[in-house]
Amino acid sequence: EADIYQTPRYLVIGTGKKITLECSQTMGHDKMYWYQQDPGMELHLIHYSYGVNSTEKGDLSSESTVSRIRTEHFPLTLESARPSHTSQYLCASSEYFEAGPGEQYFGPGTRLTVT
Amino acid sequence: AQTVTQSQPEMSVQEAETVTLSCTYDTSESDYYLFWYKQPPSRQMILVIRQEAYKQQNATENRFSVNFQKAAKSFSLKISDSQLGDAAMYFCAYRSAPGKIQGAQKLVFGQGTRLTINP
Repeated sequence: EADIYQTPRYLVIGTGKKITLECSQTMGHDKMYWYQQDPGMELHLIHYSYGVNSTEKGDLSSESTVSRIRTEHFPLTLESARPSHTSQYLCASSEYFEAGPGEQYFGPGTRLTVT
Repeated sequence: AQTVTQSQPEMSVQEAETVTLSCTYDTSESDYYLFWYKQPPSRQMILVIRQEAYKQQNATENRFSVNFQKAAKSFSLKISDSQLGDAAMYFCAYRSAPGKIQGAQKLVFGQGTRLTINP
């Protein structure tokens, strides 16, 4: 399995709380991604980064924010959680793809429930 | 913008038999990559197989093979000798080739097909 980790795996939290979902990879990949996925549904890209100090919004609008201070670390933060944020969040990273297919490796996901 | 369509929300197959999952995509590009990812229940998404659009030969990985029809923009996945461990959500995905602007080099996923294996 790929060396990409997410914590926590499951989180139940009340409305209005600030949360940070952690994602780390040990493969030295420059590219990292956050996806949002409702159970059994398609993945939606919400944030991506092509390197340190580089972050971009994805295709699906999200109230979350991300940072990329270190190559291996790409945390996602929700300043004020709401029930509409209930979902699964998948982190991924990819190798240098300028010369190849750029396979993405996925973490195990964080299943977030906001009550 | 590129789109990927998986028209089969659910499929089922008897253990040891063969099943084919469909995927079509829409693009104006001539060079790109296609992928099939597998997401088992409560487990990590993993890559099953990939295809480079410039290659005419269909990719094969053990029991998994694809039927890539570039003109028809079709990319189906065939699973032979189905096993219980093949039960999962399967996602088809598209990525532009290198050389395009960085923002375009994201994976575009289909809606997924849930595959059930009947013992």
